[in-house]
Parts: sequence; C-alpha cells; structure tokens
Amino acid sequence: AQSVTQPDIHITVSEGASLELRCNYSYGATPYLFWYVQSPGQGLQLLLKYFSGDTLVQGIKGFEAEFKRSQSSFNLRKPSVHWSDAAEYFCAVGPPSGGYQKVTFGTGTKLQVIP
Amino acid sequence: ETGVTQTPRHLVMGMTNKKSLKCEQHLGHNAMYWYKQSAKKPLELMFVYNFKEQTENNSVPSRFSPECPNSSHLFLHLHTLQPEDSALYLCASSQDWDPVNSPLHFGNGTRLTVT
Repeated sequence: AQSVTQPDIHITVSEGASLELRCNYSYGATPYLFWYVQSPGQGLQLLLKYFSGDTLVQGIKGFEAEFKRSQSSFNLRKPSVHWSDAAEYFCAVGPPSGGYQKVTFGTGTKLQVIP
Repeated sequence: ETGVTQTPRHLVMGMTNKKSLKCEQHLGHNAMYWYKQSAKKPLELMFVYNFKEQTENNSVPSRFSPECPNSSHLFLHLHTLQPEDSALYLCASSQDWDPVNSPLHFGNGTRLTVT
C-alpha cells in the first residue's frame, strides 16, 4: 500500500530565507505526486504536481519541487519566503490510475514565517 | 473567490441533532468529493460522486449520508453524530476523476463541532 510521510510537523523560517519542506513516499512504481497549500480558514489549493518527465517541477507562487526516485522524495522548495506563505502544506501521492479515490495525503507541515 | 462554496462555515450540533452541510460548485465539474480533515491526521476521503453517481464510500459510518441531486450540488446529511466527528469537512470538485488533467478545487470547509 502506498504511504506518504511529512517528517516536519512545524517549521519556522524568517521572511526572505529559503524554504524546503520534506515529503517521502512509499510506492512500488513511479507515482503521481502533489503539493497542496492550505491558508488559514481556507480549503486546499494545488501548488504543483508531478506525473512524468522533468523531475524538477515548477508551481504557482514561486514554489518548485524535485522528484528523486532514489530517495523516494518529493521536497518542496522556495528560494525566498514571504510572510503570505505562512500556511499548512500537504504532500500527496497516488497511483498512475484509479483517480482521486487512490490519492493519499500526508499529515501536513505548518509553516510559520517570522519578520 | 472560490469556485466551490460551502455552507455553513461553522456548525455546532448536539449528538441528537440532524443537520446538513451544503456544497455548490460553479466550475462545471463532473466529480465532487467530501473529505474529513482532523488535526494531525491525513485528509480522509469520505465520498466520491462522478456524474451524480456515488463511486466511493470509504467505510464511512451510516450517520453520514451524502446526496448529490445534480452535478453542481452536494450535501452531507448528519445525524446522531459523536464528539469524535468534530472536524473540518471539505468539499472538492474536479472536471473528471483523473488527476492528470483535472486538479481538485476545494471549498473553504465547514468547521463542525459536536457537543
């Protein structure tokens, strides 16, 4: 069975600093991978996704993620964090078929941005 | 403005009450979903409707009853709930069930408290 782990429950960074949020998955083949963001009081919004091809994926709001098969990881990065990036971030993994019924979400990483 | 609207935003109900959550999407999507979001737990898929037909019921207790009268509206009827059912309930929609071309669009959720 597939699984996804976000090892960091809470991360604090200074505004302007770089950011990396970790995501590790368990799946027998190349999965579909997603990063979502949830701002306070709102639903989840898709930041980026990986299905195939270039392992470095660009998303919205200046985020990118890199798929590393050897490490079973799909870490999210941003070179310079803005205060508006304070939110909770969810990694998700799914098989190449089966729809959203088969997508598993992580438990989330809450990002705090300090001035 | 989100294309997926959920009402009410907050709901407090006793264990013997009956209430309903409403979700409406203005995106012309064909698939709609109910998710449960509890603190420190992964997002849990509860129900999936594709072209108004229920295609998934992830072992959800019968005290939760979904209804999808048309492709734009989704309801979650609640009765005889337990305190552990307190959570954020998120509605989502997608053009179809395939994540490749069809991102999930989430509403802002209903925060449910069962007393």
